[in-house]
Amino acid sequence: KQEVTQIPAALSVPEGENLVLNCSFTDSAIYNLQWFRQDHGKGLTSLLLIQSSQREQTSGRLNASLDKSSGRSTLYIAASQPGDSATYLCAVEDDYKLSFGAGTTVTVRA
Amino acid sequence: KAGVTQTPRYLIKTRGQQVTLSCSPISGHRSVSWYQQTPGQGLQFLFEYFSETQRNKGNFPGRFSGRQFSNSRSEMNVSTLELGDSALYLCASQGGSGDTEAFFGQGTRLTVV
Repeated sequence: KQEVTQIPAALSVPEGENLVLNCSFTDSAIYNLQWFRQDHGKGLTSLLLIQSSQREQTSGRLNASLDKSSGRSTLYIAASQPGDSATYLCAVEDDYKLSFGAGTTVTVRA
Repeated sequence: KAGVTQTPRYLIKTRGQQVTLSCSPISGHRSVSWYQQTPGQGLQFLFEYFSETQRNKGNFPGRFSGRQFSNSRSEMNVSTLELGDSALYLCASQGGSGDTEAFFGQGTRLTVV
């Protein structure tokens, strides 16, 4: 059974600092890994999708890496802003389902 | 291009009742999956449908069921509601080949009283 872990559970940083969010998973036989953002009580917004054959993806201030062999992914958010405050979830896809971590709740202080 | 639409957004039901939730995927997407989100358990997979066929099912009791129609719209049903079924139910839409980006709806907030 796939287990996904996210560390840390919560993070508070001053505006402008870079964010580093970690995700690990136990079974490397995945189709892809996806990072999402969730604002309180809302749906999930897709941030980045990394296919199993890829090592990283970038979108604006966001960069995510994937090391399938070690079961790890890292999401970097550069020059954080108060609007980045949210819960960030990583999910791995296998067998037509997503397995989610518990998320990292980020607070960016102005 | 319209996103994933879930209806209704909010529901309040009484224990023992049943409920049906609806999800319309992004146009052209053939895969719809459902997830339950609670503070204690996080996001848990319910089931996935592709071209009206269930391809995978999570570890939920038989009270939870779903179906997909020929236009890819999907419904999930929960019978004999329990207090513990109170949750945010999220639907995801994907192209269907198993390696495509998942897009989520805003969810249906179900409260069982």
